[in-house]
Amino acid sequence: GESVGLHLPTLSVQEGDNSIINCAYSNSASDYFIWYKQESGKGPQFIIDIRSNMDKRQGQRVTVLLNKTVKHLSLQIAATQPGDSAVYFCAERGYSSASKIIFGSGTRLSIRP
Amino acid sequence: EPEVTQTPSHQVTQMGQEVILRCVPISNHLYFYWYRQILGQKVEFLVSFYNNEISEKSEIFDDQFSVERPDGSNFTLKIRSTKLEDSAMYFCASSEGTDYGYTFGSGTRLTVV
Repeated sequence: GESVGLHLPTLSVQEGDNSIINCAYSNSASDYFIWYKQESGKGPQFIIDIRSNMDKRQGQRVTVLLNKTVKHLSLQIAATQPGDSAVYFCAERGYSSASKIIFGSGTRLSIRP
Repeated sequence: EPEVTQTPSHQVTQMGQEVILRCVPISNHLYFYWYRQILGQKVEFLVSFYNNEISEKSEIFDDQFSVERPDGSNFTLKIRSTKLEDSAMYFCASSEGTDYGYTFGSGTRLTVV
């Protein structure tokens, strides 16, 4: 079952530096992965996605890397800005369950001025 | 940019009362979802809905929960007899298809007292 009061891993980054947020996923059959950003009091906001037939995908200031061998996903944010402060969730969709995506436990990114 | 709209933003209800949370998905989206997030925890899947029926539901989505698309624009989540542990943020989401990321609403904060 779920842990009460789940403690989020925290990443503290100097403004202007690059951030790397990591995620380990559990289902080797997952074929679609998404990174979401959640600011305080708001819903998850789509950042970038990647399908299992790709290793890397780039967006504006963000890059997602997928390593299927070790079931690892990362989100790289270039030149981190104060507005990047949020909780970041990776999410996966299993090939056998096209109906839903499952969220990971999240990482809180804080920016030092 | 199209949005998923949720109302109300905050609902306080007494234990045992029925609540209906409302959502207006993006107009050309075909898949609809409800997720919930207990304070400080990760975003949990409740139910997915397509073609006027439930596609998949989690173990959280028991007989106390129901969903409905009463007309061409609204998508509702009903909790028949609320319990204290139903207190959470409830997020509605929609997507064009199963190969697309979801767009989330800003959520309804449900407080059961």
